[in-house]
Amino acid sequence: DAGVIQSPRHEVTEMGQEVTLRCKPISGHDYLFWYRQTMMRGLELLIYFNNNVPIDDSGMPEDRFSAKMPNASFSTLKIQPSEPRDSAVYFCASLTSGEVLYNEQFFGPGTRLTVL
Amino acid sequence: DQQVKQNSPSLSVQEGRISILNCDYTNSMFDYFLWYKKYPAEGPTFLISISSIKDKNEDGRFTVFLNKSAKHLSLHIVPSQPGDSAVYFCAASLTGTASKLTFGTGTRLQVTL
Repeated sequence: DAGVIQSPRHEVTEMGQEVTLRCKPISGHDYLFWYRQTMMRGLELLIYFNNNVPIDDSGMPEDRFSAKMPNASFSTLKIQPSEPRDSAVYFCASLTSGEVLYNEQFFGPGTRLTVL
Repeated sequence: DQQVKQNSPSLSVQEGRISILNCDYTNSMFDYFLWYKKYPAEGPTFLISISSIKDKNEDGRFTVFLNKSAKHLSLHIVPSQPGDSAVYFCAASLTGTASKLTFGTGTRLQVTL
């Protein structure tokens, strides 16, 4: 029973380059969340989707960040252009509407992004 | 404006003793609280939760206590085991909504032999 899958696990890029992070939620889960983890701010929600529709993107830091969910089994988080301060671990999480009451989200292993 | 705070970045406890991890929140609207555990190079995994209608929830060696008047919760691990060494995140939410989890910055627990 596969959990949330993220790729790549590690990404090193140079400032100014475009970065695309990918996520496959647990099959049957209709909520998908993107988080960013930094030492200073811990885990912060960037955006979340319900049935492939963005519901709350208030955590997206700036216009350089964008997220899409073209279908129920795939989502991308894109940073263009990337900057050194974007270096962090990015997590994807999913949730089924059957568990909305308790919001116990399932997390992927994360993508460690380093922008030089 | 950190709404969920974990003021102790790290904690070291001997095996067999009690570990107590603390969490404070400022938003009185939060009514559901969760603890997640995170090992290096892995995503956080759900550990235990508590609703604001309770003041205690127990699951094996793990107990979470909630003091609503103080806006404070704590996670007790008894007895602590080396496998419990991880980063523990406190999170807060609103019941019944798949809204965002608001996380604290985490406490790194080291259980020593």
